[in-house]
Amino acid sequence: AQKVTQAQTEISVVEKEDVTLDCVYETRDTTYYLFWYKQPPSGELVFLIRRNSFDEQNEISGRYSWNFQKSTSSFNFTITASQVVDSAVYFCALSPRKGGGTSYGKLTFGQGTILTVHP
Amino acid sequence: EAQVTQNPRYLITVTGKKLTVTCSQNMNHEYMSWYRQDPGLGLRQIYYSMNVEVTDKGDVPEGYKVSRKEKRNFPLILESPSPNQTSLYFCATRPLAGIGETQYFGPGTRLLVL
Repeated sequence: AQKVTQAQTEISVVEKEDVTLDCVYETRDTTYYLFWYKQPPSGELVFLIRRNSFDEQNEISGRYSWNFQKSTSSFNFTITASQVVDSAVYFCALSPRKGGGTSYGKLTFGQGTILTVHP
Repeated sequence: EAQVTQNPRYLITVTGKKLTVTCSQNMNHEYMSWYRQDPGLGLRQIYYSMNVEVTDKGDVPEGYKVSRKEKRNFPLILESPSPNQTSLYFCATRPLAGIGETQYFGPGTRLLVL
């Protein structure tokens, strides 16, 4: 069975602080995908990133960066210079990758981290 | 307007009384999924469907059934609800192809089983 753990239930920061959201996963699959989603107060789940298990390169997208370390089964997410609009619930998720395609169906989510950025 | 609709939005029922929560989308998405969201447990996937007549179990399928006879509809059936199925339920859709992988969620159905 696969499992995703987000140990931080809630994080509160002041605007412009950097913040890191932790994610640790367990899986027996040799190939898999890791994700981060953002759930703003409006409720939809906004996709942020998908990472293949064989690609351990770190990724940066604007103020967002992700650190994937297979050796420690971690996929952490850092927001640099946080803003009030970053306030949301953030979910880390895991999906087994089946076959040779890029599609996926089953998603296991972590418990979510509530991030509050104060002005 | 792109929409995912769920009905009912709120439901109070009693143990053992069969119920169906409907989900409908107008975006022609192949993928549809049901989640339940509980405090401290986050989002847990119940069932998902990759296309019409193709469904599969998520992490917590026990006590639930689904069907996908049409692309736009993906109802969630609780044959004999129990109090531990009291939760907030979300239906979600996304296209299978492409890199726009945002999942579009319905407004949620809050279910209380007495």
